[in-house]
Amino acid sequence: AQSVTQLDSQVPVFEEAPVELRCNYSSSVSVYLFWYVQYPNQGLQLLLKYLSGSTLVKGINGFEAEFNKSQTSFHLRKPSVHISDTAEYFCAVRYYGGSQGNLIFGKGTKLSVKP
Amino acid sequence: DGGITQSPKYLFRKEGQNVTLSCEQNLNHDAMYWYRQDPGQGLRLIYYSQIVNDFQKGDIAEGYSVSREKKESFPLTVTSAQKNPTAFYLCATLPEGNTEAFFGQGTRLTVV
Repeated sequence: AQSVTQLDSQVPVFEEAPVELRCNYSSSVSVYLFWYVQYPNQGLQLLLKYLSGSTLVKGINGFEAEFNKSQTSFHLRKPSVHISDTAEYFCAVRYYGGSQGNLIFGKGTKLSVKP
Repeated sequence: DGGITQSPKYLFRKEGQNVTLSCEQNLNHDAMYWYRQDPGQGLRLIYYSQIVNDFQKGDIAEGYSVSREKKESFPLTVTSAQKNPTAFYLCATLPEGNTEAFFGQGTRLTVV
């Protein structure tokens, strides 16, 4: 079965420090990749997506992610975090040609930015 | 204002009662989804629908039911058969082209 693994359930970091949230997926077949952010008691908001082309994608709020096909990874990075980045982040994968139900989420990483 | 409206935002019900969560969209998207979110579990798919009058079970459909009588609406009923219904429920839509899903603001259901 296809799966998405977010290696860290919680990541504490100080303000203005860099951060990397890790995401690996289970299959090397062609995929679409997404990162979403969720603030408490709210829905999910798209941060960025990889569909094709350049493997480095830039998103909102200064985040970026790099698609690595050989390592089946799509890690999210930000060079300098703010208190307002405190939230839960979800990596998601959709496989080419999959049914509309085939959007698979990781279990999430809670980013906690401390002053 | 285009978007996905989930109502109510908070819902309390007694154990053994059925409850229906509303999801309405005016984005004209064909596909609609229901996810359940529990702490540390990520999002798990309950049901999805690609067209009106058709829907498919997801990974955790037991104890839930849905209908899709209109393109704009995809209500979810949490039945008394659902053993642990307290959770955060998210509705999402997907436009044509297999790109990203769009999410509502969620409904937090608490069963007491």
